[in-house]
Amino acid sequence: DTAVSQTPKYLVTQMGNDKSIKCEQNLGHDTMYWYKQDSKKFLKIMFSYNNKELIINETVPNRFSPKSPDKAHLNLHINSLELGDSAVYFCASSLPGQGDMDTQYFGPGTRLTVL
Amino acid sequence: DQQVKQNSPSLSVQEGRISILNCDYTNSMFDYFLWYKKYPAEGPTFLISISSIKDKNEDGRFTVFLNKSAKHLSLHIVPSQPGDSAVYFCAASKWGAQKLVFGQGTRLTINP
Repeated sequence: DTAVSQTPKYLVTQMGNDKSIKCEQNLGHDTMYWYKQDSKKFLKIMFSYNNKELIINETVPNRFSPKSPDKAHLNLHINSLELGDSAVYFCASSLPGQGDMDTQYFGPGTRLTVL
Repeated sequence: DQQVKQNSPSLSVQEGRISILNCDYTNSMFDYFLWYKKYPAEGPTFLISISSIKDKNEDGRFTVFLNKSAKHLSLHIVPSQPGDSAVYFCAASKWGAQKLVFGQGTRLTINP
């Protein structure tokens, strides 16, 4: 029973295409996140959503659009893919206000390769 | 501007000995710190955390120490086991900001 799951695990696509990555969590958390791990291995936050509302947007290009249909899901849609978008994207979730409020739990990652 | 730094990209330790991973931060507003462990092709897994009101937190073989005046934290693993071989990320947050800032990771290798 996976806590935070992402699909697909690998995604290879051409420049200019539009693609989506899906994330689901069954932890009952109400905050979800997208992180990007670039070629230098830095993990950087892109977005966070709380109860389907955007609360953090770290100046990510507007080609990236997160969508949260409900608090258990946060999908990432990327338009007009560029070579520099190649990275590993991680979804995470947390339950602020309860104990260790900033402890985030991560999915397995989606490796995106743009050719 | 790298607010959280792990200056050792790699560390090799003999099985059974102590592993010490270090992390420095520059933002004095950070008051919550975490360590994550990451195996290849998997997501980071939460290991242990500490808030700034403490200087030590222990969980089994893992202990995190926080030195606020030096803006430094460390993770001690004792005794080290082969399954501890992984990349360890330090992360920091301002309590309630719901935004983690990560270091670049340290690859720990435990040798038999």
